[in-house]
Amino acid sequence: AQSVTQPDIHITVSEGASLELRCNYSYGATPYLFWYVQSPGQGLQLLLKYFSGDTLVQGIKGFEAEFKRSQSSFNLRKPSVHWSDAAEYFCAVGSGYSTLTFGKGTMLLVSP
Amino acid sequence: DADVTQTPRNRITKTGKRIMLECSQTKGHDRMYWYRQDPGLGLRLIYYSFDVKDINKGEISDGYSVSRQAQAKFSLSLESAIPNQTALYFCATSDLSEGGLETQYFGPGTRLLVL
Repeated sequence: AQSVTQPDIHITVSEGASLELRCNYSYGATPYLFWYVQSPGQGLQLLLKYFSGDTLVQGIKGFEAEFKRSQSSFNLRKPSVHWSDAAEYFCAVGSGYSTLTFGKGTMLLVSP
Repeated sequence: DADVTQTPRNRITKTGKRIMLECSQTKGHDRMYWYRQDPGLGLRLIYYSFDVKDINKGEISDGYSVSRQAQAKFSLSLESAIPNQTALYFCATSDLSEGGLETQYFGPGTRLLVL
């Protein structure tokens, strides 16, 4: 069965500092991987996705993620965090032949 | 206008009541989903539908039912609401147009409180 682990429940980063959110997955075939963001009181917005090709994926709002098959990871990064990035971030894995499985989320807090 | 809409956005009900949450989409997608979100548990799949004639149970379907009235409409019902169904409910849609890569698009959510 597919699964996603986001090891960090909360992360606090200073504004302007770099960010890395961790995601590890378990999937029997080539995974499709996603990062979504949920701002307070909002639905989930797609940040980026990976299916194949270049393992470094660029997304919206200056985010990127790197797929590392050997480590079963798909970590999300941003070089300089803005206060508006404070939100909850979800990693998900799936394929066209199965439903998506979401991680439990990482809450990002941005300090001044 | 939003591509995926949910009504109502907020709902308070009492234990034992039947309620329906509605989802509509203008994206023309065949696939629709219902999730619930609880703090610390992420999103869990309740039901999903790959087309109008297809309904499938998800991870946590007990106590819920769904109806796919049309390609654009997918409703979630709680036949007899109980307090532990208090949660944030999301509808999502997707298709496989991107060469088999399925991207889900979410509605704004319905916040349900069962007293």
